[in-house]
Amino acid sequence: KAGVTQTPRYLIKTRGQQVTLSCSPISGHRSVSWYQQTPGQGLQFLFEYFSETQRNKGNFPGRFSGRQFSNSRSEMNVSTLELGDSALYLCASSSDLGRALYEQYFGPGTRLTVT
Amino acid sequence: EDKVVQSPLSLVVHEGDTVTLNCSYEVTNFRSLLWYKQEKKAPTFLFMLTSSGIEKKSGRLSSILDKKELFSILNITATQTGDSAVYLCAVEFGLINTPLVFGKGTRLSVIA
Repeated sequence: KAGVTQTPRYLIKTRGQQVTLSCSPISGHRSVSWYQQTPGQGLQFLFEYFSETQRNKGNFPGRFSGRQFSNSRSEMNVSTLELGDSALYLCASSSDLGRALYEQYFGPGTRLTVT
Repeated sequence: EDKVVQSPLSLVVHEGDTVTLNCSYEVTNFRSLLWYKQEKKAPTFLFMLTSSGIEKKSGRLSSILDKKELFSILNITATQTGDSAVYLCAVEFGLINTPLVFGKGTRLSVIA
């Protein structure tokens, strides 16, 4: 089975721009979660989608948004980029059978640098 | 406020040493604690612990949970350079489907 894929792997943007990141979960997985990882804050939960619906949302401003398509692929969008948005953005998928969080598989991440 | 705290933040050891990584938590309605290893980018799952006092073991890695004292340890014996990574602890708590809360991780460097 192919793993979780994320595109692009690296991205450089300037302040004020917007960015869209993509995540393709493992085939058959319907739950996709997004995390932001920075050296200072560690891994922080952004949001989770299940069957095209946002099921959970972390404490991030409204500039961060996401969506999930019928094929379970997910995108997250960050508008009006700030320097502090520079981070590794990780996507994780799970089959959501009984909410098996321990079977949450992570993608390789997208390294976003905002200048 | 719920939180997960890992210590130490970083650690340098020599090959063959034994290391103990700590994770303490303060959450309401604890459900499980998970350990992940992050080498380059994607964290990979190591253990899930739900019951106190039961050791989970996988090769040279083992972990145990103390629900009374609200902490877990991850032990690595006979360390190898390939164990160099960031080790993340995450806690599942509250109602079902509540997102995981992660600690900031412990960066382990094993030198030859």
